[in-house]
Amino acid sequence: EIVLTQSPGTLSLSPGERATLSCRASQSIRNSLLAWYQQKPGQAPRLLFYGASSRATGIPDRFSGSGSGTDFALTISRLEPEDFAVYYCQHYGAFGRGTKVEIK
Amino acid sequence: EVQLVDSGGGLVQPGGSLRLSCAASGFTFSSYWMGWVRQAPGKGLEWVANIKDDGSEKHYVDSVNGRFTISRDNAKNSLYLQMNSLRVEDTAVYYCAREAIGTASARDYWGQGTLVTVSS
Repeated sequence: EIVLTQSPGTLSLSPGERATLSCRASQSIRNSLLAWYQQKPGQAPRLLFYGASSRATGIPDRFSGSGSGTDFALTISRLEPEDFAVYYCQHYGAFGRGTKVEIK
Repeated sequence: EVQLVDSGGGLVQPGGSLRLSCAASGFTFSSYWMGWVRQAPGKGLEWVANIKDDGSEKHYVDSVNGRFTISRDNAKNSLYLQMNSLRVEDTAVYYCAREAIGTASARDYWGQGTLVTVSS
């Protein structure tokens, strides 16, 4: 069973700054089949990326996903106020514990 | 427009039962794996169960195996989760979600969630 470890647990940044979130798998993920989600308080998660770097419908291009094997990243090039949220990575039944991006 | 509407949550005593439902619309329900994901208060996401498009294959997280049963009715575009022998630690918001084809279960659409509280 693959375990996904996300870091950091919390990222404190200002609007306009760049955010880089990490997701590390305990074993290599075949075909980079990793997804990323954004969740805001009181809302259901929203799919951002599947296949590590394929952007889901309606996701702005300031978001990018990358990586392969065991190391994956989600990058937000310039944080907008609506981007402050919790982000999760996922592969099949495994979810990471999340990274909270908070306003500094 | 794809829509998933969760219902059936509520307050139940430990050892009790509850049946969750998810009504789907806006897509060909019978073509997709579907599943349930839960989130305990203040915690992260936890996969609970999923079911193949035709209902022939089902999978569960170990902590609910033998207590929960996932099912679907493709004629009614509906997904269900029968929860028996409920425990305090099953308290969570339960979301139904569609699994995008060929993506290692990336969930591309989610219901709004239904809260299950297990307490005496």
